[in-house]
Amino acid sequence: QKEVEQNSGPLSVPEGAIASLNCTYSDRGSQSFFWYRQYSGKSPELIMSIYSNGDKEDGRFTAQLNKASQYVSLLIRDSQPSDSATYLCAVKTGADGLTFGKGTHLIIQP
Amino acid sequence: GEEVAQTPKHLVRGEGQKAKLYCAPIKGHSYVFWYQQVLKNEFKFLISFQNENVFDETGMPKERFSAKCLPNSPCSLEIQATKLEDSAVYFCASYGTSGSTDTQYFGPGTRLTVL
Repeated sequence: QKEVEQNSGPLSVPEGAIASLNCTYSDRGSQSFFWYRQYSGKSPELIMSIYSNGDKEDGRFTAQLNKASQYVSLLIRDSQPSDSATYLCAVKTGADGLTFGKGTHLIIQP
Repeated sequence: GEEVAQTPKHLVRGEGQKAKLYCAPIKGHSYVFWYQQVLKNEFKFLISFQNENVFDETGMPKERFSAKCLPNSPCSLEIQATKLEDSAVYFCASYGTSGSTDTQYFGPGTRLTVL
């Protein structure tokens, strides 16, 4: 049984601060890791994908992957109120469908 | 098209009725996935296709759910004899095999309400 665990939150962060979102996964064979953002009533929107150990930066977002610890994280720098959403960690093994965590509800306080 | 299209946006069915949902993947994408999202955040993988062939159906409740992806037609997900617990948003996603990315792009979803 493949599992992806996230803290459901809510995680409350002041505007301008760094938001740190964490995710662990159970399947050591997992190869692809994704962070999606989902606003209420909308479809998931890709924020970052990461495939190898280390950090990957894209604008204000940094994804971190540690396969030995089976851990993925997302950092959001200079948090904005528009970043308030649910962040879904998703993991893929081979050509399988994505296994999602339950999501972390992030609130950026103006 | 450049986006995954799903129809209808909303669907209401009485318990026991049939429901049929449609998905048009991004042009050129050969993989199609169906997911069910209940209780706001719980995503469940249902089935995937590679072109018109079922690739992985481990998540499908086979007794009432079926799906097809036929050439030159939208993919479909059909639920026979819907139950209350089938109420959810059903998302379709697709990706192609060109390039190094296997990122799935999601459609807007179909909200199914079973009364």
